[in-house]
Amino acid sequence: RKEVEQDPGPFNVPEGATVAFNCTYSNSASQSFFWYRQDCRKEPKLLMSVYSSGNEDGRFTAQLNRASQYISLLIRDSKLSDSATYLCVVNMYDSWGKFQFGAGTQVVVTP
Amino acid sequence: DTAVSQTPKYLVTQMGNDKSIKCEQNLGHDTMYWYKQDSKKFLKIMFSYNNKELIINETVPNRFSPKSPDKAHLNLHINSLELGDSAVYFCASSQGEGLAGHTDTQYFGPGTRLTVL
Repeated sequence: RKEVEQDPGPFNVPEGATVAFNCTYSNSASQSFFWYRQDCRKEPKLLMSVYSSGNEDGRFTAQLNRASQYISLLIRDSKLSDSATYLCVVNMYDSWGKFQFGAGTQVVVTP
Repeated sequence: DTAVSQTPKYLVTQMGNDKSIKCEQNLGHDTMYWYKQDSKKFLKIMFSYNNKELIINETVPNRFSPKSPDKAHLNLHINSLELGDSAVYFCASSQGEGLAGHTDTQYFGPGTRLTVL
């Protein structure tokens, strides 16, 4: 079983709609969580960290569910520019400096 | 100013050759990383250095040898290149060593697309 799993998608979303997707992680010792965004043929860039109580950044909302070991990302009012692959990243303090990346969820926002 | 830079951006070479990829960060970060992203888009960590010292060495063939002359640079040398080495290699850096939680945002370089023929 992969340490970090994501639905690869693609999620086809009409412009203005809401889309949400999850990421599950296998190691309960995981301590910090992030969502990164990767555009085609570009480097990953941090979208947002995920805090225990959940957090919001504009149209993006991230949640953490430790009991079920997953994090989620919700995008409201989708824009064409939100089309990208969203990577879930998990870090475990017992694996010094070792960030585990999911394979990504592709989101395609259509006009 | 580019925060994390890599050279070259594209590298096309024959099987059996030896090649190097260079990475530099001007963020003052203590930790640098090399990742490999294959055709399935899965990003896998290869190496991590903290203040020039190797802290992570994943199951990577010993044909791959990282070198960190100082904490702002982490280069990757690959000997005897094989077809399966074709991938995009990303360098990244972060302030901490992965122990400080949310201060450990990673900043990635633009990637080096390696094609082995």
